[in-house]
Amino acid sequence: KQEVTQIPAALSVPEGENLVLNCSFTDSAIYNLQWFRQDPGKGLTSLLLIQSSQREQTSGRLNASLDKSSGRSTLYIAASQPGDSATYLCAVRFQGTYKYIFGTGTRLKVLA
Amino acid sequence: EAQVTQNPRYLITVTGKKLTVTCSQNMNHEYMSWYRQDPGLGLRQIYYSMNVEVTDKGDVPEGYKVSRKEKRNFPLILESPSPNQTSLYFCASRKSSGQGQGYYEQYFGPGTRLTVT
Repeated sequence: KQEVTQIPAALSVPEGENLVLNCSFTDSAIYNLQWFRQDPGKGLTSLLLIQSSQREQTSGRLNASLDKSSGRSTLYIAASQPGDSATYLCAVRFQGTYKYIFGTGTRLKVLA
Repeated sequence: EAQVTQNPRYLITVTGKKLTVTCSQNMNHEYMSWYRQDPGLGLRQIYYSMNVEVTDKGDVPEGYKVSRKEKRNFPLILESPSPNQTSLYFCASRKSSGQGQGYYEQYFGPGTRLTVT
């Protein structure tokens, strides 16, 4: 069964720390992987999308990497700020399907 | 402004009373999708549509119907809602480059919080 897992479920860090969020998937045959941010009671905001042929994508202080062989993606956040506090979700589209599988998210709190 | 809109944003209803949640996008996207989000279970896909008149089931389609008569609209229909359909619902859309392709980002609506009593 194709599954997506995010560990840890919650994370608290002091402001300014660099941090890594993890996303694991059970099948290496993926089309793409997308990272989202969700603020409480709000919708999802797209952060980065990595195609299956790519190793990483960068946007500002965010860097997402993809290692299909190990079934992992990481979202690196540099110099974290209180405004980064949110739940971070990854979603995977596996090959052979038009469906998306989401992880359950990592709830991040950056302490001032 | 490019966006996905959903209506209503909040809805409280009773068991068995048919309801429709509308979704509209102004980005000329081919692919549209509905998700539900529940604590501890994350987002799960209900239905998706590759284009007008083309729809398919996601992972949790039971109790839901959809239609895609126009490219911009993708309504979610609950013909006989039950309390286990109480959830936060999201509509999403993306471009689609055709068979075997699909590298484009999904854009999400603001969500509809549904309570069925």
